[in-house]
Amino acid sequence: AQKVTQAQTEISVVEKEDVTLDCVYETRDTTYYLFWYKQPPSGELVFLIRRNSFDEQNEISGRYSWNFQKSTSSFNFTITASQVVDSAVYFCALSESGFRNAGGTSYGKLTFGQGTILTVHP
Amino acid sequence: DTGVSQNPRHKITKRGQNVTFRCDPISEHNRLYWYRQTLGQGPEFLTYFQNEAQLEKSRLLSDRFSAERPKGSFSTLEIQRTEQGDSAMYLCASSRGLVGTGELFFGEGSRLTVL
Repeated sequence: AQKVTQAQTEISVVEKEDVTLDCVYETRDTTYYLFWYKQPPSGELVFLIRRNSFDEQNEISGRYSWNFQKSTSSFNFTITASQVVDSAVYFCALSESGFRNAGGTSYGKLTFGQGTILTVHP
Repeated sequence: DTGVSQNPRHKITKRGQNVTFRCDPISEHNRLYWYRQTLGQGPEFLTYFQNEAQLEKSRLLSDRFSAERPKGSFSTLEIQRTEQGDSAMYLCASSRGLVGTGELFFGEGSRLTVL
């Protein structure tokens, strides 16, 4: 069975601090996909990034960066110079690669972690 | 691109009543998903459609739950004989098939409260 663990329930920082959100996953699949989503107070989940299991290249996008380490089954997310607008719940998620339909690979069945509530204070 | 739309946004009902939620996905998306999210938890997968075909259902989806997507466009999720444990946020998401970018577009959810 797949499992995603976000050990940090809540994190509170002051604006401009850097913050790292941890994610550890378990899967028996050799091919899988990892995601980060953001859920602001409005409730709508917003896609941030997708990574597949054979691409361990880390990525930086503006103030966001991701560190994928297959050896430790971790997919951590860092916000540099945090801002108040970054306050939200952040979810890490894992996707099965097990079913394919009509030539496409489905990434839609996601297993989410419990989320980390990030509060950035001014 | 008007986004994924869900109605109603909030529903309060008494135990034993039936409720129905509607989801309108992004128009060119042929894949539609339902998730359930309880307070303090991450979303849990319920079911998935490709066009009008329901291809997978979670064990979380008991016999009291039924989902349809009759013409491959909007979808409904019906809960019969609601129980207090059904209280949750019901999230709908859609994505493009075949290309498979992995990005699900979520609606704002329908919050159900069962008294």
